[in-house]
Order: sequence, then C-alpha cells, then structure tokens
Amino acid sequence: SSELTQDPAVSVALGQTVRITCQGDSLRSYYASWYQQKPGQAPVLVIYGKNNRPSGIPDRFSGSSSGNTASLTITGAQAEDEADYYCNSRDSSGNHEVFGTGTKVTVL
Amino acid sequence: QVQLVQSGAEVKKPGASVKVSCKASGYTFTSYGISWVRQAPGQGLEWMGWISAYNGNTNYAQKLQGRVTMTTDTSTSTAYMELRSLRSDDTAVYYCARDPDGDYLDYWGQGTLVTVSS
Repeated sequence: SSELTQDPAVSVALGQTVRITCQGDSLRSYYASWYQQKPGQAPVLVIYGKNNRPSGIPDRFSGSSSGNTASLTITGAQAEDEADYYCNSRDSSGNHEVFGTGTKVTVL
Repeated sequence: QVQLVQSGAEVKKPGASVKVSCKASGYTFTSYGISWVRQAPGQGLEWMGWISAYNGNTNYAQKLQGRVTMTTDTSTSTAYMELRSLRSDDTAVYYCARDPDGDYLDYWGQGTLVTVSS
C-alpha cells in the first residue's frame, strides 16, 4: 500500500477551482511533485519543488504544502484538465520514492 | 529537445525475463538519473527504482529487490531495465523517466507494455 494517500476522485465545474491533496508523513520533510496523466498517455510533470512549473505548464496549476499534506490547485479548471493526478515524494525512510494513490479529476 | 524512446511491447511467459530499453537524446545523458515506473492495467503508478547515468549507482524498490536490474550504456545514451522471474502481476506498462535530482521526473518515455501470460 502507498504511503501517500490521495482522494480517489474529485469533480469541478468548468472555470472553478479544485484542490487535490496528498497526505503522508514524509511530506513533513520532502516536497511532492505532481503528475497529470490522461488515458493512454505517459504522465506529465506539472509541479515540482516548492511550487515550480515546467515550461509549457499553464499558470493555473500551483502547488503548496503544510505539515503532512501537499496540495495541487487548479485555478479556473479547463476541460483539458480532466485527467488522473498523482503526487510523488520520498517514503517514510527517505530512501525510496513513492507515488500517491492517484486522484481522478472530472471537469463538469 | 529531450526525448526518451523505449523499446516495443513484449509478451513473456511466467518465469521468464524481460529487458526494456530507453534511448535518451537531446541532453547530456550522464548529467541525469533515470527512474523506472510501472503501471498495471487500471492501476496507479509504481516507482521501481533509479539509476545514476553518471556512475551507475542504483536504488531499487524493496519489493523488487533481487528481481530487477537497471543498467546504462553511456556510449549509446541508453538505459535498461531487466525484470526476472516474471509473474502475471508484472503485466504493466513500464516507463522510463529522466530524474534531475531524485525529487521529480521531468521527461518520460512513451511506455512499453509487458504482458506476462502462459
């Protein structure tokens, strides 16, 4: 079982804001990175570090962290943001990486 | 531009081995690590391990220790992942990804489907 827990599914109205959370003890010491995955495609990095976006990722994606919870926020969700989202960080030992359980985002 | 191109789909019998390749281009291969991630059908992402393309150091997921070997060939800028003693639950899409500093994966290969079936 994963050491990083995410809500299985969330929905958001078009143009509204949605926050996806990732919980785990290791997040008190390590940043999370976030990946978007659409059906049949490889994951895409959307947020890394404190709150960094790779080139080409819209600024409606942002990241934050507090205590044992990391969050990915989509401000003004678009239809193309409908996808699965995974967080990634270290496990509790700090020696290995681990992915969160994943959240399916539906844009209504 | 950075590209990671993986080898094609494989079908293997239980107990066999598979070796997936990941050819990198568009950057200095030895300046980054490569992580391997797999995804079983309808399931989430699973981190398998990491290899430094600089010195070959590896770090494997505990559940795969003893069955997985990651290597690199710096002359061809190619990373390899070999998984032995295959079981049906190893059926998955296997991805390689560039790993700048052990904390995120910024470019991904297209994935390789490995099917384990008798």
